[in-house]
Amino acid sequence: QQQVKQSPQSLIVQKGGISIINCAYENTAFDYFPWYQQFPGKGPALLIAIRPDVSEKKEGRFTISFNKSAKQFSLHIMDSQPGDSATYFCAAKPDLMLTFGGGTRLMVKP
Amino acid sequence: ETGVTQTPRHLVMGMTNKKSLKCEQHLGHNAMYWYKQSAKKPLELMFVYSLEERVENNSVPSRFSPECPNSSHLFLHLHTLQPEDSALYLCASSQEGIQEETGELFFGEGSRLTVL
Repeated sequence: QQQVKQSPQSLIVQKGGISIINCAYENTAFDYFPWYQQFPGKGPALLIAIRPDVSEKKEGRFTISFNKSAKQFSLHIMDSQPGDSATYFCAAKPDLMLTFGGGTRLMVKP
Repeated sequence: ETGVTQTPRHLVMGMTNKKSLKCEQHLGHNAMYWYKQSAKKPLELMFVYSLEERVENNSVPSRFSPECPNSSHLFLHLHTLQPEDSALYLCASSQEGIQEETGELFFGEGSRLTVL
């Protein structure tokens, strides 16, 4: 069964700190790993994504680290800001169907 | 209008009512999706249409009936719902092709459904 497990469910970080969210998957056919960000009252929106041929991808303060052998990937938010407070979803897909993790509610305290 | 538009944004219905949720995408995409978002299962895929053909029906009860009349419009017809169906229903679209695309999902803002 295709499954993506995400942790933690919630996270509180001080402004300027590093937020780390982890995901693990089972299906080795997954070949695309995006992260989506959702603000209250809005739909999720793509934040950053990685393919398994690279171990890390960085866009501004957001970095995905990917460990193919462990079947794990994580999102790091450097210098976390109150505006980053949102729910974050990891996901994975081999084809048309995107499987989402359970979500992490991040709160960045001023 | 741009992006993915969902109407209505809020809907309250009784268990015997019939209502429909509407989704329209202005992105020229060829795939559309219905997701259910609740506290229990944050993002649960319900239906997928690719090139106006249904390609996925994720064990969804028959009281939910999707319709995709063209590549820009998607409906979710609701009939005899249960209180546990109360949730946020999200529509999304993506561009799927022969060559490997990212398949980025573009979501609408959702329709908040309350079943009394």
